[in-house]
Amino acid sequence: EPEVTQTPSHQVTQMGQEVILRCVPISNHLYFYWYRQILGQKVEFLVSFYNNEISEKSEIFDDQFSVERPDGSNFTLKIRSTKLEDSAMYFCASSLGQAGYTFGSGTRLTVV
Amino acid sequence: EDQVTQSPEALRLQEGESSSLNCSYTVSGLRGLFWYRQDPGKGPEFLFTLYSAGEEKEKERLKATLTKKESFLHITAPKPEDSATYLCAVLTGANSKLTFGKGITLSVRP
Repeated sequence: EPEVTQTPSHQVTQMGQEVILRCVPISNHLYFYWYRQILGQKVEFLVSFYNNEISEKSEIFDDQFSVERPDGSNFTLKIRSTKLEDSAMYFCASSLGQAGYTFGSGTRLTVV
Repeated sequence: EDQVTQSPEALRLQEGESSSLNCSYTVSGLRGLFWYRQDPGKGPEFLFTLYSAGEEKEKERLKATLTKKESFLHITAPKPEDSATYLCAVLTGANSKLTFGKGITLSVRP
């Protein structure tokens, strides 16, 4: 069964450092997303990406965040200057519009 | 603003004891309601998508139903391996983002 792959599974970084989280979406999917889940809280939408541009973003997705699809397979989330409150599980997802909305297993980001 | 409320927050069942998990929603223009299963430290695992009131879907011991205001995830004769957090999410309007509820943590005792 096709799956969304995320790397690394766990990343520890110092406050103020830049991190890049990587994702390989399902190959025939057209929409790509990043969500996050702070420990004990609900899954929250960050950004959606379609046709090589951001189609929607939440108020959480401020100037310190950026996304990129550098080639035909990878989809990345960059956090420019990490803060303690960025510590969370980050999930990549992909879909064919409203169908096949599939999540990866996540990257646990710990900012120290 | 779209709102999704799941209840109860936690549910403990004996193996074989059937029950239902509730997801109520207040949204404009529902395009789909999704159920996911999430194990600790893992990503949401897709279970069902429901698109219109009256629709039902089944998979093994799980059955999802949808009305205009809520969805139920019925679990029949649960087993310990069904223990997980069950997430409900809605897709609305012209956007492609999912809005999630807080989830229901199900624990099934042998």
